[in-house]
Amino acid sequence: QQQVKQSPQSLIVQKGGISIINCAYENTAFDYFPWYQQFPGKGPALLIAIRPDVSEKKEGRFTISFNKSAKQFSLHIMDSQPGDSATYFCAASMEARGGNKLTFGTGTQLKVEL
Amino acid sequence: SQTIHQWPATLVQPVGSPLSLECTVEGTSNPNLYWYRQAAGRGLQLLFYSVGIGQISSEVPQNLSASRPQDRQFILSSKKLLLSDSGFYLCAWSVYPGGQPQHFGDGTRLSIL
Repeated sequence: QQQVKQSPQSLIVQKGGISIINCAYENTAFDYFPWYQQFPGKGPALLIAIRPDVSEKKEGRFTISFNKSAKQFSLHIMDSQPGDSATYFCAASMEARGGNKLTFGTGTQLKVEL
Repeated sequence: SQTIHQWPATLVQPVGSPLSLECTVEGTSNPNLYWYRQAAGRGLQLLFYSVGIGQISSEVPQNLSASRPQDRQFILSSKKLLLSDSGFYLCAWSVYPGGQPQHFGDGTRLSIL
């Protein structure tokens, strides 16, 4: 019930295209859903996050779509650029005594080709 | 602004040797602190978290331990490394008492020979 399932494992998109990464969760107690971007040899950096009281959040070219009834959320990268090539992780957490602990998906390697 | 530092960036250790990885946070007080391990091609697995000095919670049984001797210092240790301890170790912090988001350091790449 603590798992977050992420797909696809890898993704190749042409420059200017839309990249879509999907995640699904089981635990309805999760109340915070971030996406992280990770470049090789670096730690993950927060990209965008959403709470379940909204269905969509947009920041620049990055949009999270959230479907509470289906327990799914997705990251859309519009006008994908070669600089977006990285590994993307979805995650979920809930209020917990002693600190919010993140449960991560297994990651998606995105490659944006010219 | 807040920053998080991890060192060393890379480490090669023989099986059976001890380990000490250090993480420090600047620019904030009483943060929540976390240690994660990332295996190749896998997601991040939470190992330990701490909400205060001397307060450590372990998420998975393993060959590692953690300590928090000072407010903004988090240390990951082992007395005897195993081959299976190889991986990318990441430290993270968040605002106490349980705020999001978590901010990650640039990690330590640990290779066990």
